Amino acid sequence: SQKIEQNSEALNIQEGKTATLTCNYTNYSPAYLQWYRQDPGRGPVFLLLIRENEKEKRKERLKVTFDTTLKQSLFHITASQPADSATYLCALIYNQGGKLIFGQGTELSVKP
Amino acid sequence: EAQVTQNPRYLITVTGKKLTVTCSQNMNHEYMSWYRQDPGLGLRQIYYSMNVEVTDKGDVPEGYKVSRKEKRNFPLILESPSPNQTSLYFCATSRGGTGYNYEQYFGPGTRLTVT
Repeated sequence: SQKIEQNSEALNIQEGKTATLTCNYTNYSPAYLQWYRQDPGRGPVFLLLIRENEKEKRKERLKVTFDTTLKQSLFHITASQPADSATYLCALIYNQGGKLIFGQGTELSVKP
Repeated sequence: EAQVTQNPRYLITVTGKKLTVTCSQNMNHEYMSWYRQDPGLGLRQIYYSMNVEVTDKGDVPEGYKVSRKEKRNFPLILESPSPNQTSLYFCATSRGGTGYNYEQYFGPGTRLTVT
């Protein structure tokens, strides 16, 4: 069965540093991978999507990489700010776009 | 304003008492989906719908029913709720006919407690 794993431990970094979050998957070759941000008690909010034929995608301070050989995506937040503190989720899309599998999320805390 | 609404937002009920959680969207999206979120287990997909009258199972469909009679609504039905269905439920929608290359918009969530 498909399996997707993110950094299980919370990530604590200093303001201004780059945060790097990992998403690993097995038994599947997704065509698309998405990243979401979730704040406590709220629904996830879409951040970025990357396709299997894209190595890297950027949006402002965010960067996503997608290595289909390693079956891994990395999510980077550069020049991190306390407002970036949240849980970040990765999601794989398959079954002709209907099914999604989410990782359990990585909690990021950015200290001033 | 583009919105995904869920009702109720909070619900405490007893085992076996049928309930419905509604989900409505005003974005004319074709794709809709239901998830439950539990500590340590993350978001798990219950059911999804690619379009009106088209529904399919996600990873954890047992104990749930859905229907998609019109584009804007996608209710989640628990015919006989049990305590293991206590969870935070999210409805999500997506612009395209598939969930593929379109972002999902999530509702605010429904916190359900079954005693």
